[in-house]
Amino acid sequence: GAVVSQHPSRVICKSGTSVKIECRSLDFQATTMFWYRQFPKKSLMLMATSNEGSKATYEQGVEKDKFLINHASLTLSTLTVTSAHPEDSSFYICSARVRGDYTFGSGTRLTVV
Amino acid sequence: QKEVEQDPGPLSVPEGAIVSLNCTYSNSAFQYFMWYRQYSRKGPELLMYTYSSGNKEDGRFTAQVDKSSKYISLFIRDSQPSDSATYLCAMSYTRGGGTSYGKLTFGQGTILTVHP
Repeated sequence: GAVVSQHPSRVICKSGTSVKIECRSLDFQATTMFWYRQFPKKSLMLMATSNEGSKATYEQGVEKDKFLINHASLTLSTLTVTSAHPEDSSFYICSARVRGDYTFGSGTRLTVV
Repeated sequence: QKEVEQDPGPLSVPEGAIVSLNCTYSNSAFQYFMWYRQYSRKGPELLMYTYSSGNKEDGRFTAQVDKSSKYISLFIRDSQPSDSATYLCAMSYTRGGGTSYGKLTFGQGTILTVHP
């Protein structure tokens, strides 16, 4: 089946630094990738939709300058959290659409100290 | 009002019990309905999807959709400790497609524990 590989699984960074999260589609081409954020015991909140070769579409209330999304190829999409703050600590998950179904990465636990 | 409402639980049942998980939604434009299972600190995995009212069965799992009542359910028969996870309902306006109408709206998730 379709696999989305997400790295890193866990990252701890200092306030003010930037962190990059990668999602790769291993055996298919992902023209669209979705990025979610999930707080403990809460649902997934869609942050943005990225399309290969074009600008990402951000959901209302999501700072596009803070959460930079790049989808430069059909197999790689990245989310960069810039100038991270402790309130950015969360679980970030990517998802790709494959033949109408959605496959999720394993998530990245970001802790900003 | 949230577009999708799901009782967060937690729900604790003994092994072998029948589990009923439910979601209600307010937007009649939703056409596709999915159930995901998420283990702790992992991404969600698709259990079932359906787009029509009625029941859909897959092994121990049955998905039920009632569009007239805007209500969906997931039943788990003969529940096992390995079923312990968070169950998320999700819905979309379309299934896939090239526009944002394919994006998923999730319920809050129900935490299920099946104890031996």
